[in-house]
Amino acid sequence: DSGVTQTPKHLITATGQRVTLRCSPRSGDLSVYWYQQSLDQGLQFLIQYYNGEERAKGNILERFSAQQFPDLHSELNLSSLELGDSALYFCASSERIDGNSPLHFGNGTRLTVT
Amino acid sequence: DAKTTQPNSMESNEEEPVHLPCNHSTISGTDYIHWYRQLPSQGPEYVIHGLTSNVNNRMASLAIAEDRKSSTLILHRATLRDAAVYYCILRALLTGTASKLTFGTGTRLQVTL
Repeated sequence: DSGVTQTPKHLITATGQRVTLRCSPRSGDLSVYWYQQSLDQGLQFLIQYYNGEERAKGNILERFSAQQFPDLHSELNLSSLELGDSALYFCASSERIDGNSPLHFGNGTRLTVT
Repeated sequence: DAKTTQPNSMESNEEEPVHLPCNHSTISGTDYIHWYRQLPSQGPEYVIHGLTSNVNNRMASLAIAEDRKSSTLILHRATLRDAAVYYCILRALLTGTASKLTFGTGTRLQVTL
């Protein structure tokens, strides 16, 4: 158990809808990362927060947004959903953002858009 | 981010040691070498990381070449539960705003009886 909790585990929704994925980092970790993994695709970095502030952005679509709250949990909001957004979404956390601080991943939220 | 190169796949027999190689010829002096693995239907799992010296933990050992242009993840006795995709990733010591971890395609390890 990595200590990172993601909810819900599964989500099925229709095109055009909006969903929110939630992540609770490991106790003591200040940084949260979001990744997307589609079928047969690698892990694509979306966005990273540190202590409530956005620190790095990947190829995150404008329809997607995220935030990290004062209690350090994070939410990833996906709107105007398309079939191609069906994927596994992983959250990770780390104590710091430097290279000597490993990431710990949750088991993901599987999003299916129909 | 500096790139890493790994073989697409490797096979091992159960209870034998496995050496997973990674080349990172453009590594900078402040890049840490991280290894993660992803089992089917699970999130990536941290395995080990190091900077210059070899590292050991309960899961594996990391051997880093003297010039740091390559490294090897060593599983001392492979089990069926070690079958996974293994990722070798570089992460800068001082990341500033570029603190993402970029995953490549990794090495798919198959373990057979």
